Amino acid sequence: EVVMTQSPATLSVSPGESATLSCRASQSVGTNLAWYQHKPGQAPRLIVRGASTRATGCPARFSGSGSGTEFTLTISYLQSEDFAVYYCQHYKNWPLWAFGQGTKVEMK
Amino acid sequence: EVQLVESGGGLAQPGKSLRLSCTASGFIFSDFWMGWVRQAPGKGLEWVAHIKKRGDDKYYVDSVEGRFTTSRDNARNSLYLDLNSLRAEDTAVYYCVRLWDGDYYDYWGQGTLVTVSS
Repeated sequence: EVVMTQSPATLSVSPGESATLSCRASQSVGTNLAWYQHKPGQAPRLIVRGASTRATGCPARFSGSGSGTEFTLTISYLQSEDFAVYYCQHYKNWPLWAFGQGTKVEMK
Repeated sequence: EVQLVESGGGLAQPGKSLRLSCTASGFIFSDFWMGWVRQAPGKGLEWVAHIKKRGDDKYYVDSVEGRFTTSRDNARNSLYLDLNSLRAEDTAVYYCVRLWDGDYYDYWGQGTLVTVSS
């Protein structure tokens, strides 16, 4: 079973700054990794798939990178609408998908 | 526009049952794997069940195996989740999700809350 670990648990950032979120897999998942944004009371939203491909409609300030066991989501020039919880999820060991525990990006 | 709308959540006693439904629109339902993901209060996301396009193969997280059953009716563009032998730890918002090529979740519903309590 692949375990996904995200860090940090909470990230305090000012609007206009950048945020770097990390996700680590307990074993290689290749580039079979997605990132989701989740705001309270809303449906989660896919923002990155294949580790680095932005989903349709995702702004260019979101950038995913990494492969194997180490992944990063970078949000450049944070906007007010970007404050949310972000989850990584692998889809390598079908059908045993797994999410990380989430990183909350909050306003500083 | 892709839309997934869940219904059927509510309060249930431990040991009892509930049926969740998800009505899909805006895409050819029978062309996609579908699934359920849940979020318990104060917790992260957890995949619960996946079902292949024709409904012939289904997969469940260990914690619900044998208690939950997912099914679909492609003629009605509908997905279902039967929750049996409910436990307090099943309390969560349940999201209906569409899987792209059986991989990641490209669309999510708004969710329906299931509360298990006596």
